[in-house]
Amino acid sequence: NAGVMQNPRHLVRRRGQEARLRCSPMKGHSHVYWYRQLPEEGLKFMVYLQKENIIDESGMPKERFSAEFPKEGPSILRIQQVVRGDSAAYFCASSPERAGSAGELFFGEGSRLTVL
Amino acid sequence: KNQVEQSPQSLIILEGKNCTLQCNYTVSPFSNLRWYKQDTGRGPVSLTIMTFSENTKSNGRYTATLDADTKQSSLHITASQLSDSASYICVVSSPNDYKLSFGAGTTVTVRA
Repeated sequence: NAGVMQNPRHLVRRRGQEARLRCSPMKGHSHVYWYRQLPEEGLKFMVYLQKENIIDESGMPKERFSAEFPKEGPSILRIQQVVRGDSAAYFCASSPERAGSAGELFFGEGSRLTVL
Repeated sequence: KNQVEQSPQSLIILEGKNCTLQCNYTVSPFSNLRWYKQDTGRGPVSLTIMTFSENTKSNGRYTATLDADTKQSSLHITASQLSDSASYICVVSSPNDYKLSFGAGTTVTVRA
């Protein structure tokens, strides 16, 4: 039973390019969360999705960032026209029920974006 | 604003020794508190999860305590091993808050 799968693990982009990060949740999990982590800082909530629905994207910048979780396929975090400040580790997590309850939250290994 | 403060920011201990990490929070209302271990370059992995009514929970050499009255938690590592070198993250949630509140983590380095 595979865990949360993220790819790519490492991504290098030049300023102005697009970055696409993918996340396949654990089998049976319909709740997906994206977090961003900067060095020596805690994880920061970006967006919460369920299949085909964005539940809360309040932690995600309104410009250049978008996320989706289609009926089929992985969840995708898309960053357009990347800037150096977008360099960070992006973690996806999934849960069988809404986080905040006593249910477990499982994290992927993260995608590390470096913007040159 | 809900906050989670962890201390110390980092610590170095010798293999075989014990250590205790602290987590203070202001999150209210409270649902549960989790401790995660994050190895360098990896994703966080859950160690323990405690609800309001639980005071202590163990997972092998890791023992977490919770005092919901003072809003404090600790994570005790017994007989540390080199593989314990990692960042330990305290995460607190409210009943209907799926965003969760993350501490910045304590970086533990175990030396031979």
